[in-house]
Amino acid sequence: NAGVTQTPKFQVLKTGQSMTLQCAQDMNHNSMYWYRQDPGMGLRLIYYSASEGTTDKGEVPNGYNVSRLNKREFSLRLESAAPSQTSVYFCASSGSILFAGELFFGEGSRLTVL
Amino acid sequence: AQSVTQLDSQVPVFEEAPVELRCNYSSSVSVYLFWYVQYPNQGLQLLLKYLSGSTLVESINGFEAEFNKSQTSFHLRKPSVHISDTAEYFCAVSDRSGATNKLIFGTGTLLAVQP
Repeated sequence: NAGVTQTPKFQVLKTGQSMTLQCAQDMNHNSMYWYRQDPGMGLRLIYYSASEGTTDKGEVPNGYNVSRLNKREFSLRLESAAPSQTSVYFCASSGSILFAGELFFGEGSRLTVL
Repeated sequence: AQSVTQLDSQVPVFEEAPVELRCNYSSSVSVYLFWYVQYPNQGLQLLLKYLSGSTLVESINGFEAEFNKSQTSFHLRKPSVHISDTAEYFCAVSDRSGATNKLIFGTGTLLAVQP
């Protein structure tokens, strides 16, 4: 019953450091997403992967890179962290990009960049 | 592009009182609409969805939402709230433009139920 698992749950970085957020799902879903959540701004899509082997930019991709390692795993990388990237990051998955309505979310990764 | 407006950032209400959380969307094409709920320190969970058919949809815990095409609204209601309903609620629309579909979220409404 794991669903969508994100690691780490908490991370503090200094400006300029790099890190990777990991996400894995065990529901055999084709599509995976990375969102960031900021107060008063709701959730904004960073990148998504419609299927294994493909990735596309969302609303706010600048400063991030992603890798769809296999069908289960979708990682988000910050190459040079900035304070503006302080946020809560959510990974999500769905059965099909053609019907992206029901997303299954992880518990989030809280990132602070000093 | 699609957009979603949640007019109220916070709605305080007393236990057992009715509540309505407002959601309006902008679209010139047919849409799928959703309400998600986020309990403290958790990810989002799907609460209910409108895809087609009956304009009134219900969740298992007493919430309901009505799709109103003429007013481009999808307001969430509950006739009697509980303390356990305290959470943040997000309205979302499926962006069906282009080759793929993505969810566009509103900014959220914090429902604060007081005893």
